[in-house]
Amino acid sequence: QQQVKQSPQSLIVQKGGISIINCAYENTAFDYFPWYQQFPGKGPALLIAIRPDVSEKKEGRFTISFNKSAKQFSLHIMDSQPGDSATYFCAARATGNQFYFGTGTSLTVIP
Amino acid sequence: DTAVSQTPKYLVTQMGNDKSIKCEQNLGHDTMYWYKQDSKKFLKIMFSYNNKELIINETVPNRFSPKSPDKAHLNLHINSLELGDSAVYFCASSVRQGVGANVLTFGAGSRLTVL
Repeated sequence: QQQVKQSPQSLIVQKGGISIINCAYENTAFDYFPWYQQFPGKGPALLIAIRPDVSEKKEGRFTISFNKSAKQFSLHIMDSQPGDSATYFCAARATGNQFYFGTGTSLTVIP
Repeated sequence: DTAVSQTPKYLVTQMGNDKSIKCEQNLGHDTMYWYKQDSKKFLKIMFSYNNKELIINETVPNRFSPKSPDKAHLNLHINSLELGDSAVYFCASSVRQGVGANVLTFGAGSRLTVL
């Protein structure tokens, strides 16, 4: 059973455009929602994260929008750059520091 | 100075063999994990250890056996390897409570190919 559903599976964006990745969850006990970025041949690395009592968090070009009532959250990458090309995973944390990951989105930013 | 290091990085072996992957972290974290990433890049937790104690044991065949000799090390031993075990295995660590409890630090992965 997929605890966190992520879409789209892949995304192609022009340089300078906005990349948007969406995630949804069912378990209301989740208390922390991070996004991880993974480059080929590397492990995932924390990009940005949000708690459910906040509706938006922005760090540079990266913004998380969180809708607690809809149990959805999304990552927006503004002014997308070729260096942003990577696989992005949303995740949710349950009791005991157990993290459940989405299925990943492969982002390609075309110069 | 690598924070979470895994060895080997690549492992190619025949079906039926037994193999081990080692993981060490120098971050002082008290919780370590093994994740499996399949060919579709889906990341699935396998095990979690806190201070050498097994905390999470997801539905994983008992051919997989984790061992934590101390809180800085978490090894993964796999018996009777099958084709479906081919994947990238990631070790990760975190602190269980307090500042930094929200952050998983991953190793670079160990790519296992079973022929």
